[in-house]
Amino acid sequence: KAGVTQTPRYLIKTRGQQVTLSCSPISGHRSVSWYQQTPGQGLQFLFEYFSETQRNKGNFPGRFSGRQFSNSRSEMNVSTLELGDSALYLCASSLPIAGDNEQFFGPGTRLTVL
Amino acid sequence: DAKTTQPNSMESNEEEPVHLPCNHSTISGTDYIHWYRQLPSQGPEYVIHGLTSNVNNRMASLAIAEDRKSSTLILHRATLRDAAVYYCILRDPVRTGGGADGLTFGKGTHLIIQP
Repeated sequence: KAGVTQTPRYLIKTRGQQVTLSCSPISGHRSVSWYQQTPGQGLQFLFEYFSETQRNKGNFPGRFSGRQFSNSRSEMNVSTLELGDSALYLCASSLPIAGDNEQFFGPGTRLTVL
Repeated sequence: DAKTTQPNSMESNEEEPVHLPCNHSTISGTDYIHWYRQLPSQGPEYVIHGLTSNVNNRMASLAIAEDRKSSTLILHRATLRDAAVYYCILRDPVRTGGGADGLTFGKGTHLIIQP
């Protein structure tokens, strides 16, 4: 079974630009979550999508948004990039079984904002 | 989510058992205890989880205290590949509506394995 894939793996942008990251979950997984990892703040939850609906959201500004398609693939978008948005963005997919929410993480997209 | 406390780092020798502790004194009755690890330059990887009883799988064992205020992840025979940051996380699927929700990662324990 193929794992979670994320594209692109590396990205360099400049302040003020916007960026779209893509995540393909494991086949059959309908829940997709996004996380941001920085050296200072560690791993922080951004949002989670299930059946094309955002079900949970972390404490991030509105510049961070996402969506999920009918095939469960998900994208996240960051508008008006700031230097502090430089981070590893991780996507995780899972089967939404109550009490058993093992998440499978992708390798991440390394975003550098100059 | 209830908070967990883990040592910042631990060191062990290859082929020896490793016991990684986690304190979660404010755990609620419906919180599951999850462990993830993150190897260098990779995304986090699920290790094990449990509710009340001790759990075993091919990767590790999870020993949960009777009062559930602490737990220990046990790697029976550490290898160099087990060097990673280990995260102890509590999840309450009942409170959060079931299914998969955001995990709250703390700082974790940086496990160093000496050859």
